[in-house]
Amino acid sequence: LAKTTQPISMDSYEGQEVNITCSHNNIATNDYITWYQQFPSQGPRFIIQGYKTKVTNEVASLFIPADRKSSTLSLPRVSLSDTAVYYCLVDSNTGKLIFGQGTTLQVKP
Amino acid sequence: DAGVTQSPTHLIKTRGQQVTLRCSPISGHKSVSWYQQVLGQGPQFIFQYYEKEERGRGNFPDRFSARQFPNYSSELNVNALLLGDSALYLCASSRDLEETQYFGPGTRLLVL
Repeated sequence: LAKTTQPISMDSYEGQEVNITCSHNNIATNDYITWYQQFPSQGPRFIIQGYKTKVTNEVASLFIPADRKSSTLSLPRVSLSDTAVYYCLVDSNTGKLIFGQGTTLQVKP
Repeated sequence: DAGVTQSPTHLIKTRGQQVTLRCSPISGHKSVSWYQQVLGQGPQFIFQYYEKEERGRGNFPDRFSARQFPNYSSELNVNALLLGDSALYLCASSRDLEETQYFGPGTRLLVL
């Protein structure tokens, strides 16, 4: 069973900021939060990983509150090419990634 | 730097046959993991190898096996193919056992 809960789908428009929230109530002390993006018939692409507070890279930001029971992936100014499935995972870097169904983001013109 | 590569990209087999899928990790990565992704679902963990040894196994039947070679490349073998084995097979590599995994493009297997 996946350790995370995230919305099945979301819609947005080009140029908007998109925030996808993930719940992980049973996150363990050693767990990190990792997000992957996947396009149809391609392998998942690593987006960002964090442990607490805020992490930012050239693609996205990850916000993690103090209790770490949830996290929010923020995609600034999305484009049509950001239409994809986004997976939130919690993992203690054991090597066995457990994927849920992910969030299908549809970006409209 | 080249990413994770997998071959073949597509494969069609019939029930009962055997298949071998191949994966080359990112240069410098010592760990390789295999995942199965059926349509509409997230990837499911099959195996993890590190330094040629199996370090983790998912809930898959014994028809599934794998190995890792001295150059850290890996093969996934599936025997006695079933229709339900039709899926995208993904390989991921990481520098070490406990580091971020990076995925290849996958091999699309269709069993008829």
